[in-house]
Amino acid sequence: DAGVIQSPRHEVTEMGQEVTLRCKPISGHDYLFWYRQTMMRGLELLIYFNNNVPIDDSGMPEDRFSAKMPNASFSTLKIQPSEPRDSAVYFCASREQGLYGYTFGSGTRLTVV
Amino acid sequence: DQQVKQNSPSLSVQEGRISILNCDYTNSMFDYFLWYKKYPAEGPTFLISISSIKDKNEDGRFTVFLNKSAKHLSLHIVPSQPGDSAVYFCAASFTGGGNKLTFGTGTQLKVEL
Repeated sequence: DAGVIQSPRHEVTEMGQEVTLRCKPISGHDYLFWYRQTMMRGLELLIYFNNNVPIDDSGMPEDRFSAKMPNASFSTLKIQPSEPRDSAVYFCASREQGLYGYTFGSGTRLTVV
Repeated sequence: DQQVKQNSPSLSVQEGRISILNCDYTNSMFDYFLWYKKYPAEGPTFLISISSIKDKNEDGRFTVFLNKSAKHLSLHIVPSQPGDSAVYFCAASFTGGGNKLTFGTGTQLKVEL
């Protein structure tokens, strides 16, 4: 079991560019979550999916953010256009039905300059 | 609106002594609480949890205490070891709450020799 795999590990981009973050959840996990970590707000839930269907996207900051899960083994978080205030570490996590604990990926550190 | 609060951003403890990390919550619907530990450049990993029907749960050197009337929980680490130096996140969830965890802002624990 390779765990939750995120790519890239680091991303540096210029303001206004499109950024795509990728996540491969653990096989068999029904839920997938996207979180953002900042010093001020800690770990914020952006959106989560159940069986590939978006359930709650109330944490998505604004329309510049979008997320998809085309199949059970892949999800993307896209920011277009990116802004310096989007700089943060973005985590993907997955879990099985019926359990509370998540398994997190190693995160993507995004820097928008 | 921070529903889960960790008011101490950092804590320093000597090796062998007790570390006490605190967490407060505002949502009385929360009925399950977890602690996650995070090392630099890694994703958070699950440490210990407690259901609201209990007031204490112990796992080796780690004990979580829950005081529902005060909406407060704490994590005790005894004895503290240098390898415990990490950021600790408190998280909460509630039945019917969409299976999502609400995290606090984290406490950086440093265990000194």
